Amino acid sequence: DGGITQSPKYLFRKEGQNVTLSCEQNLNHDAMYWYRQDPGQGLRLIYYSQIVNDFQKGDIAEGYSVSREKKESFPLTVTSAQKNPTAFYLCASDLGNQPQHFGDGTRLSIL
Amino acid sequence: ILNVEQSPQSLHVQEGDSTNFTCSFPSSNFYALHWYRWETAKSPEALFVMTLNGDEKKKGRISATLNTKEGYSYLYIKGSQPEDSATYLCAFRNSGYSTLTFGKGTMLLVSP
Repeated sequence: DGGITQSPKYLFRKEGQNVTLSCEQNLNHDAMYWYRQDPGQGLRLIYYSQIVNDFQKGDIAEGYSVSREKKESFPLTVTSAQKNPTAFYLCASDLGNQPQHFGDGTRLSIL
Repeated sequence: ILNVEQSPQSLHVQEGDSTNFTCSFPSSNFYALHWYRWETAKSPEALFVMTLNGDEKKKGRISATLNTKEGYSYLYIKGSQPEDSATYLCAFRNSGYSTLTFGKGTMLLVSP
């Protein structure tokens, strides 16, 4: 079955450390997205990519970086510059104006 | 940043009750309105994508309406069941090239 796989499910970051969240899709979707959810907040867009080797900043890109070297993969790196990284991170993909498909998410916490 | 509002923030109903929620969005430059259901410990799943003013869509006991001129969409659940308990998200897109802007969601709890 096609879908989106995010890993790991839980991740712990030490101070000053960069961590990378994985997102892989086998839906052949062109566009991929990273969202962050905090308690009481809606999903906020971090970065998105509409085509391989191209990506754009979303509303809250500071302290994050991404790459899109393959259509299937859109990893998100949470850098040490992100001062408040504790949150739930969701990856999604879509094709045109079709509904977005989501992964199961990664919960990131600070040690 | 576009403003997408959902109300109420949370709702607790009894099994068998019918309920509805509201999603408000900017009435200018409308392209599409999405509804998603997000159950605890699962990923959000799409319910509807609505594009035309006056659209009405239905999926089982769940239906949605769209008014793009006044900037709102209603989601209705008829005869709520405990398995309907979830957070319902709406998301707005103002052009074919833009990204989705999500509301904060309405959390529904249906008690047996």
